[in-house]
Amino acid sequence: DADVTQTPRNRITKTGKRIMLECSQTKGHDRMYWYRQDPGLGLRLIYYSFDVKDINKGEISDGYSVSRQAQAKFSLSLESAIPNQTALYFCATSDGALNQPQHFGDGTRLSIL
Amino acid sequence: QKEVEQNSGPLSVPEGAIASLNCTYSDRGSQSFFWYRQYSGKSPELIMFIYSNGDKEDGRFTAQLNKASQYVSLLIRDSQPSDSATYLCAAPDPGGYNKLIFGAGTRLAVHP
Repeated sequence: DADVTQTPRNRITKTGKRIMLECSQTKGHDRMYWYRQDPGLGLRLIYYSFDVKDINKGEISDGYSVSRQAQAKFSLSLESAIPNQTALYFCATSDGALNQPQHFGDGTRLSIL
Repeated sequence: QKEVEQNSGPLSVPEGAIASLNCTYSDRGSQSFFWYRQYSGKSPELIMFIYSNGDKEDGRFTAQLNKASQYVSLLIRDSQPSDSATYLCAAPDPGGYNKLIFGAGTRLAVHP
């Protein structure tokens, strides 16, 4: 089983719909991150969390919200989806010690029509 | 100014050759660097990390760090077609919190 699991893997939906992407991890890491990736733009940080009481905005948080339900679960919501939110979304985790790498889930391919 | 920069490529090398991927960074205080491999449509996979100046070898991969010149490189020896992917370089965000700044990636194509 994957250490970082994202659901759903693929989602097609319509403009204006509310969408939730879920991430769960079995690595025991405190830190969790949500990224989006667009062709040619690399990975951009949406939100990050260091524990259930700590939520921080990344560079592109507008139009998104998150919930850290438990140490192992971090959800990303699009309250009213728009077509330019079509992208590949990744959840990642890292250990709390300094200079640690991040470990990624398999991603969610989201298409908004 | 981007804080982690990579040549977007594509870098094309013949099978069996050495592929050399380069990355420069702007924060002189960065202590750790990571190389991820990403196949098209898949998630980034950590393949190497390096904390100290010099070389670090793992199988066919060698990471090289030069803090004075602020660059880090990844060498892939005996390149195989299965190495064809985008390689992302990452360095810690100067703002802390274990955030990483990713380069946009270099696309590597290994042809038979």
